Amino acid sequence: GNSVTQMEGPVTLSEEAFLTINCTYTATGYPSLFWYVQYPGEGLQLLLKATKADDKGSNKGFEATYRKETTSFHLEKGSVQVSDSAVYFCALEVFNKFYFGSGTKLNVKP
Amino acid sequence: NAGVTQTPKFQVLKTGQSMTLQCAQDMNHEYMSWYRQDPGMGLRLIHYSVGAGITDQGEVPNGYNVSRSTTEDFPLRLLSAAPSQTSVYFCASSPHQGGTEAFFGQGTRLTVV
Repeated sequence: GNSVTQMEGPVTLSEEAFLTINCTYTATGYPSLFWYVQYPGEGLQLLLKATKADDKGSNKGFEATYRKETTSFHLEKGSVQVSDSAVYFCALEVFNKFYFGSGTKLNVKP
Repeated sequence: NAGVTQTPKFQVLKTGQSMTLQCAQDMNHEYMSWYRQDPGMGLRLIHYSVGAGITDQGEVPNGYNVSRSTTEDFPLRLLSAAPSQTSVYFCASSPHQGGTEAFFGQGTRLTVV
């Protein structure tokens, strides 16, 4: 079946710290992989995506690489800001169906 | 460009009441879906539609009905609300093409008492 596992939160970091949020998946077929971000009281917004193995998605300083051999899509950022505080969801898509991880809440302190 | 619009934003229902959550998109997307978001469980697919007149069940369809009479609209109906349906509901749309992002509405926070 299709499923996504991501590290549980909350993750609390100081501003300018390095961020890694782990995400692994199981999938039938050839999934596309996504990271979405959710700010308080809002819907999900696309952060980045990768559609095939070894692709790297990047946006706003965040990066994630589609690793087929380890079935992973870890999210990284070199220097987080207070404004990055949000909930981050890893997701896979197969034939337009999305499967989401449970979400990781990130708190960034000044 | 409105994107995906959900109404209402908040709703309180009594057990046994019925209601419809509205969802509309103006991007001419074929694919639309409903998710519920519960603490620690991410988003779970309730129902989806690949085009007008075509709907199918997702992971957690029990207690919910959908229909798709137009490309733009995809309402979600709760026939007899139960406390277990207390959740945040998100509607999403995407082109019928793999590898493209889903666009989400702002969500409806539903409480069933």
